[in-house]
Amino acid sequence: DAGITQSPRHKVTETGTPVTLRCHQTENHRYMYWYRQDPGHGLRLIHYSYGVKDTDKGEVSDGYSVSRSKTEDFLLTLESATSSQTSVYFCAISAGGGSPLHFGNGTRLTVT
Amino acid sequence: DQQVKQNSPSLSVQEGRISILNCDYTNSMFDYFLWYKKYPAEGPTFLISISSIKDKNEDGRFTVFLNKSAKHLSLHIVPSQPGDSAVYFCAASEYSFNKFYFGSGTKLNVKP
Repeated sequence: DAGITQSPRHKVTETGTPVTLRCHQTENHRYMYWYRQDPGHGLRLIHYSYGVKDTDKGEVSDGYSVSRSKTEDFLLTLESATSSQTSVYFCAISAGGGSPLHFGNGTRLTVT
Repeated sequence: DQQVKQNSPSLSVQEGRISILNCDYTNSMFDYFLWYKKYPAEGPTFLISISSIKDKNEDGRFTVFLNKSAKHLSLHIVPSQPGDSAVYFCAASEYSFNKFYFGSGTKLNVKP
């Protein structure tokens, strides 16, 4: 198992509240990613990071922000959660250079 | 618009027979392709990959075929086993960007 820990594993929050999800890796990989999984849509890239303080948008970045102040941690923030952000969120890491992604076990977020 | 598409949401196969999962992509710049397997309540796990310089890659019971002119790849599982029952995602990226796009997944059911 790649050393990836996502926290929390489950969260229920109310519309309009801020939420931060954390991804922690012990592999010292350069690249880190946040995806969301929804029925019929598969896995969609929200944001990714190619180094400390270096991030870029993915396919569905509206309403999300990210920060990476250390190699090992990648945070995903929903500034004001909406019901459309109810989803399962996966963090992934990669060493780059043709290496595959390795995923964490996900965070199930419910926005009521 | 989705750059990676899996047009079959589900597939049912008898144990011991071949499973063929298909994937199409639209971005001709993609040059690295991967397949992932996902069980419920777990993160996707990497299965097999192929770069655009090859048209076939084999790993045990799993073979991935790439047809660049058709922008199509497929995953063959021979022989299929009940433990292969899972959701399979294909993914693609441009090697130099390490930004991975996923299809919507195909749920494979292997019947004993």
